[in-house]
Amino acid sequence: DTEVTQTPKHLVMGMTNKKSLKCEQHMGHRAMYWYKQKAKKPPELMFVYSYEKLSINESVPSRFSPECPNSSLLNLHLHALQPEDSALYLCASSQVGLAENTGELFFGEGSRLTVL
Amino acid sequence: GQNIDQPTEMTATEGAIVQINCTYQTSGFNGLFWYQQHAGEAPTFLSYNVLDGLEEKGRFSSFLSRSKGYSYLLLKELQMKDSASYLCAVRKTGGFKTIFGAGTRLFVKA
Repeated sequence: DTEVTQTPKHLVMGMTNKKSLKCEQHMGHRAMYWYKQKAKKPPELMFVYSYEKLSINESVPSRFSPECPNSSLLNLHLHALQPEDSALYLCASSQVGLAENTGELFFGEGSRLTVL
Repeated sequence: GQNIDQPTEMTATEGAIVQINCTYQTSGFNGLFWYQQHAGEAPTFLSYNVLDGLEEKGRFSSFLSRSKGYSYLLLKELQMKDSASYLCAVRKTGGFKTIFGAGTRLFVKA
């Protein structure tokens, strides 16, 4: 299984809603990532979890709250978002620590979020 | 700081060869990746360079010069399905932070 699965594929929410994005991988990868991508722009790193611990937070506003319940799952909790947060949210995973691996990112298909 | 530059768009003909360049400036370099992204889809891994030189993988090759902060992706025998964005990405030391360039949109015409 070389897939990263993200749900939902599409989400529309109001600025007062609370919702969550979910990501799952069964490749045994111990690093998991959230990226945000706006149209015709590159993916921007938001958060990195390594061995289920938050390793990197790229100064993301607190209305985005990541969670890594176990080594296969990664969530992104959303609350009080702004219309400018509308974007494609990509989850990715990678191997950690093996000298022979490239550590490339395996991406899910993304959750397209629209904030009204 | 960090900066990754690549051309915004390129057009090439089916069956031809195209070279997409990428220059980067970063503190702490730990590898350069090329990813392909079709419209509306997730990026997929194409190649990885951490040492200087050329890596070949079928129709795709990637080159790295660390001293010049320069890489290129070479696509041979272009096919219509190669029309996509090609993202140059640099991984920083520490292992987890991969920064993407803005991408080069490649149009392959018949």
